[in-house]
Amino acid sequence: AQSVAQPEDQVNVAEGNPLTVKCTYSVSGNPYLFWYVQYPNRGLQFLLKYITGDNLVKGSYGFEAEFNKSQTSFHLKKPSALVSDSALYFCAVRDSSWGKFQFGAGTQVVVTP
Amino acid sequence: NAGVMQNPRHLVRRRGQEARLRCSPMKGHSHVYWYRQLPEEGLKFMVYLQKENIIDESGMPKERFSAEFPKEGPSILRIQQVVRGDSAAYFCASSPPTAGGINEQFFGPGTRLTVL
Repeated sequence: AQSVAQPEDQVNVAEGNPLTVKCTYSVSGNPYLFWYVQYPNRGLQFLLKYITGDNLVKGSYGFEAEFNKSQTSFHLKKPSALVSDSALYFCAVRDSSWGKFQFGAGTQVVVTP
Repeated sequence: NAGVMQNPRHLVRRRGQEARLRCSPMKGHSHVYWYRQLPEEGLKFMVYLQKENIIDESGMPKERFSAEFPKEGPSILRIQQVVRGDSAAYFCASSPPTAGGINEQFFGPGTRLTVL
């Protein structure tokens, strides 16, 4: 069975500071990992994914994520947070080409001016 | 290219009524997924469909819920005899039919169902 954990319900960061949103996963095979962002009353927007290759994945809006196989983690990062990055972030895992997505519970990011 | 369309955006039903939620995938996408999001919770997978086929319905409640994706027209998520616990946001996502299935899913804006 596959699962994904986002250990922090909320992350608070000042504008301009680095932002990290944590995600750990558990799958039986090779993991396919995704990050999405949700703004209030909106659907989810795709940020980035790891399928294979380089452990550092770059995505939309200046976000990147680092795949760490030994720690089974896929943390989302942004070097300098913006107030507009305040939103709900979801990590998702898929353990096969055709497997369904398993989403984490989400992490609320609050960026203060 | 329009994104994933869902309608209605908001739906109010009384207990015992039926709710029909529609989803039109992005052009060229033949894979549709339905998720439910309860307040303060993440997304829970419900069902995965391709045209005229249900591929995985392991997340669907066994009773009152059904889904279809006909050859023509939108995908429909149907909830019969709604109860207050069905109140949630229901999201549809689609992905293209390329081999490997490693594509990201594109989400619609959701339908917010309120059961009175």
